[in-house]
Amino acid sequence: GAGVSQTPSNKVTEKGKYVELRCDPISGHTALYWYRQSLGQGPEFLIYFQGTGAADDSGLPNDRFFAVRPEGSVSTLKIQRTERGDSAVYLCASSPGPKYYNEQFFGPGTRLTVL
Amino acid sequence: AQKITQTQPGMFVQEKEAVTLDCTYDTSDQSYGLFWYKQPSSGEMIFLIYQGSYDEQNATEGRYSLNFQKARKSANLVISASQLGDSAMYFCAMSFTGGTSYGKLTFGQGTILTVHP
Repeated sequence: GAGVSQTPSNKVTEKGKYVELRCDPISGHTALYWYRQSLGQGPEFLIYFQGTGAADDSGLPNDRFFAVRPEGSVSTLKIQRTERGDSAVYLCASSPGPKYYNEQFFGPGTRLTVL
Repeated sequence: AQKITQTQPGMFVQEKEAVTLDCTYDTSDQSYGLFWYKQPSSGEMIFLIYQGSYDEQNATEGRYSLNFQKARKSANLVISASQLGDSAMYFCAMSFTGGTSYGKLTFGQGTILTVHP
């Protein structure tokens, strides 16, 4: 596919469980962003990757959240010991690179529900 | 820190009429970008239009135009000839275009637009 893809589209889990959310960016895009959108709110920045490294992880709410991008393409957002407050839509976006900040394309999101 | 304010929780417009969605921003950065995204009920964020802080002319993309008033720190979206398919949530966002956080977006709270036939 040509766009950003995210899997799963929906994830229901129980409080305290571990979850992984996957993002597959547009081929060739070196910049990748994770955002979290709570119901009725605008998305909030979580973390930004340039290549394999996390250039800015200032939006991660606490140490239960972690993200990786080992080969500079697919990224996984990992949430440990999930809490009900983690329920939200997690959005991933990619862009061609630092000089293309006006081209940021979003995936369809993963809706996480923590029971 | 950057901040985006959208003061209109909801807006209504008649089909084929124009509508303006308000957005004000606050930043101490000299170089930044302003975006508008559309989010229909399906949830996907659809890019509409972009304005760079150094762009002197207002951006336009088809029926969308961005009324950029730098001194007033406003970046209103104007949709001309509204269509039923324009009904959605609209987000204004700002990016910082320097340092280590290229492209990191700060979003407003959104405005729900409803187009009436």
